[in-house]
Amino acid sequence: EPEVTQTPSHQVTQMGQEVILRCVPISNHLYFYWYRQILGQKVEFLVSFYNNEISEKSEIFDDQFSVERPDGSNFTLKIRSTKLEDSAMYFCARLLDRYSNTEAFFGQGTRLTVV
Amino acid sequence: GQQLNQSPQSMFIQEGEDVSMNCTSSSIFNTWLWYKQDPGEGPVLLIALYKAGELTSNGRLTAQFGITRKDSFLNISASIPSDVGIYFCAGQNSNSGYALNFGKGTSLLVTP
Repeated sequence: EPEVTQTPSHQVTQMGQEVILRCVPISNHLYFYWYRQILGQKVEFLVSFYNNEISEKSEIFDDQFSVERPDGSNFTLKIRSTKLEDSAMYFCARLLDRYSNTEAFFGQGTRLTVV
Repeated sequence: GQQLNQSPQSMFIQEGEDVSMNCTSSSIFNTWLWYKQDPGEGPVLLIALYKAGELTSNGRLTAQFGITRKDSFLNISASIPSDVGIYFCAGQNSNSGYALNFGKGTSLLVTP
């Protein structure tokens, strides 16, 4: 199945800095998700984005996080004022079809390291 | 989110053996999915289950959607070294925007 492409593959940032993680869909998908995975732990849902607005968000997705699709193509996750505990793999995912086939396909991830 | 209990936490088996892992939840899901994750990679979808009682195969993999909609299992037959990885179950509901609720994973090691 076609995947989403995430950039960068690895980002190192200083605590307190802002980071932007990017997700580039292969085709014009409407349903996107961000998940994170702290090292050695399970994958956790952050936010879902449907038709250019937030559909659902988890408790993790607080005011330091934001998502947007600024140019109608790239789907971004912004983390303002990063903290050490934000270090994790961040995965973008897209839904195959919201109605008949709700399988989610994941990108390769961005490894964020906050120092 | 809803709590998923996945077991076992890890398995260490010999090549050729069959493997079974399962997930249980305190509440129901409309869809169960099983993913495999290799180190440093994103989860890769193995099997998706949409109906209670459904039994689905994908090569050497077989998964079932429990009749109560609160559990699912994944079996791997005749394991091979490339089966090594972490296997995650995930539950999904339409009323939560199809967000996936993951189990904690089963780490599988296969020795030749």
